[in-house]
Amino acid sequence: GDSVTQTEGLVTLTEGLPVMLNCTYQTIYSNPFLFWYVQHLNESPRLLLKSFTDNKRTEHQGFHATLHKSSSSFHLQKSSAQLSDSALYYCASTGGYKVVFGSGTRLLVSP
Amino acid sequence: EAAVTQSPRNKVTVTGGNVTLSCRQTNSHNYMYWYRQDTGHGLRLIHYSYGAGNLQIGDVPDGYKATRTTQEDFFLLLELASPSQTSLYFCASSAGTGGNTLYFGAGTRLSVL
Repeated sequence: GDSVTQTEGLVTLTEGLPVMLNCTYQTIYSNPFLFWYVQHLNESPRLLLKSFTDNKRTEHQGFHATLHKSSSSFHLQKSSAQLSDSALYYCASTGGYKVVFGSGTRLLVSP
Repeated sequence: EAAVTQSPRNKVTVTGGNVTLSCRQTNSHNYMYWYRQDTGHGLRLIHYSYGAGNLQIGDVPDGYKATRTTQEDFFLLLELASPSQTSLYFCASSAGTGGNTLYFGAGTRLSVL
């Protein structure tokens, strides 16, 4: 079945450094949608950004990601981390009825 | 913003107990989902539905039943609760499949003693 892999369980950064959270996926669908959801402490997950188009950069709230079908990747990046970026980040994919989530990466940004 | 309401917010039960978690969405979404969230496992799909009376099995369905009584209401039932079902449960809804956004409720924290 479909799966999403997030290799880092925890990423710790100093404020101002760049952010990169990894996401790779496996799917039977030729045109999957890829998503990043963010979950702040004691909140529920909410959509950060999503993409369907190969090799096109998608941006939202200072974060960006590019879907690369050739490598089945959808890494999340930001040029400069802020304290408020500390949260749990989920990569997800869908090509049919189900949305499959990765195991999540917790980002901790310190001063 | 889509509204998804879960109840109760917190629930404690004993092993073998009967639990029903409720979810209501008021945005006329067709799709509703139940996920459980556990550290190291992320969000795992239990059951989902694409309309009243419809039920689809997710990835971790064992020990859970679900029922979609109306377009708005989706219930998760644990008939013989076990400690392994201690978790944070999220309900979500979406207008459709593909690129449609999932809107999550606030979650129900369930403890099975």
